[in-house]
Amino acid sequence: DGGITQSPKYLFRKEGQNVTLSCEQNLNHDAMYWYRQDPGQGLRLIYYSQIVNDFQKGDIAEGYSVSREKKESFPLTVTSAQKNPTAFYLCASSPREAPLHFGNGTRLTVT
Amino acid sequence: AQTVTQSQPEMSVQEAETVTLSCTYDTSESDYYLFWYKQPPSRQMILVIRQEAYKQQNATENRFSVNFQKAAKSFSLKISDSQLGDAAMYFCAYLIQGAQKLVFGQGTRLTINP
Repeated sequence: DGGITQSPKYLFRKEGQNVTLSCEQNLNHDAMYWYRQDPGQGLRLIYYSQIVNDFQKGDIAEGYSVSREKKESFPLTVTSAQKNPTAFYLCASSPREAPLHFGNGTRLTVT
Repeated sequence: AQTVTQSQPEMSVQEAETVTLSCTYDTSESDYYLFWYKQPPSRQMILVIRQEAYKQQNATENRFSVNFQKAAKSFSLKISDSQLGDAAMYFCAYLIQGAQKLVFGQGTRLTINP
């Protein structure tokens, strides 16, 4: 079955360390996205990519980096420059102008 | 900038009754899409219903329907015959035609009372 896989489900890191969140899709979607969700809040866009080897900053890109070397993969790195990295991270993909399909998310805790 | 506002942080309804969740948005665009997503405790985001702005007819999906008022920039979700499994956070979202950026509201937490 096609879908989006995010791993791991829970991730713990020490402050000052970079950490990479994985997102893989087998839906053959061109566009992929990373959103951040804080408790009691909606989703905020971090980065998105419409095509391989191209990506754009979203509303809260500072302290994050991405790559899109393959259509299927869109990993997100949370760098030590991100001041408040503890959050729930959701990856999504879509064909053009279509609803997003979401992964199950990664809960990142930085202490 | 486009914004989406959900004015009800929390709502509750008795099982089998009907509830309406509110959503308003601000845009100068004429061609766009609107969505309602559901996020249960598992935190999986599930698409509930979508509406194309150029369509005057309100979208329906089984027990879920919308009241789309384009001039008022309003997009409410009605859930009929509420079931315990409908308990979740509900997010309204907006997408400009030709763009790829989905903008979300803050969400409404819906509780179903047995």
